[in-house]
Amino acid sequence: SQQGEEDPQALSIQEGENATMNCSYKTSINNLQWYRQNSGRGLVHLILIRSNEREKHSGRLRVTLDTSKKSSSLLITASRAADTASYFCATDAKGFKTIFGAGTRLFVKA
Amino acid sequence: DAGVIQSPRHEVTEMGQEVTLRCKPISGHDYLFWYRQTMMRGLELLIYFNNNVPIDDSGMPEDRFSAKMPNASFSTLKIQPSEPRDSAVYFCASSTGLAGVSGANVLTFGAGSRLTVL
Repeated sequence: SQQGEEDPQALSIQEGENATMNCSYKTSINNLQWYRQNSGRGLVHLILIRSNEREKHSGRLRVTLDTSKKSSSLLITASRAADTASYFCATDAKGFKTIFGAGTRLFVKA
Repeated sequence: DAGVIQSPRHEVTEMGQEVTLRCKPISGHDYLFWYRQTMMRGLELLIYFNNNVPIDDSGMPEDRFSAKMPNASFSTLKIQPSEPRDSAVYFCASSTGLAGVSGANVLTFGAGSRLTVL
């Protein structure tokens, strides 16, 4: 079974708008990661947030983590057409068994 | 480094045939993972290796699936005999490990092998 569940399943926005994706998980974690997958490609690591962190930034990405609610969010600011992809959260509740959520499909219209 | 290299990129085969997928991890990465991605089940971890030794194969769906890592630079995932329900994209990923309280298992994925079993 999947550890993380993202919502929404799909998101369509205009270029320049912000995109927010949410992830919920079930068990305690050491850290949470976000990955991006372009169509027909492998996943690419975007950002990592540790369980003792509440917020982290990387360029246009902002990740928050609420361990009390077992949830995380990924915000992409000033979205671009090139941001069109699927985004996955991943947790390592079981050591090296990194478990991925179902993903959010983001479509950014130019 | 060229990244994680998988072959073939696409494979179409008939039910009952043997399928072998190959992976070359990033040099220096001690951990290697095989994932399967389908629309219905998402990304599933099948098996992972540490220093060429299989550590956890609890995700391998059936005895028809087997994986080996004969050396640090090569791994195979074999399906014999293949069935239509095995159709999926199979990803190999590698990492340096570093899991635990202060570390994280950051994965580098290959481009995947798309398998179609007719």
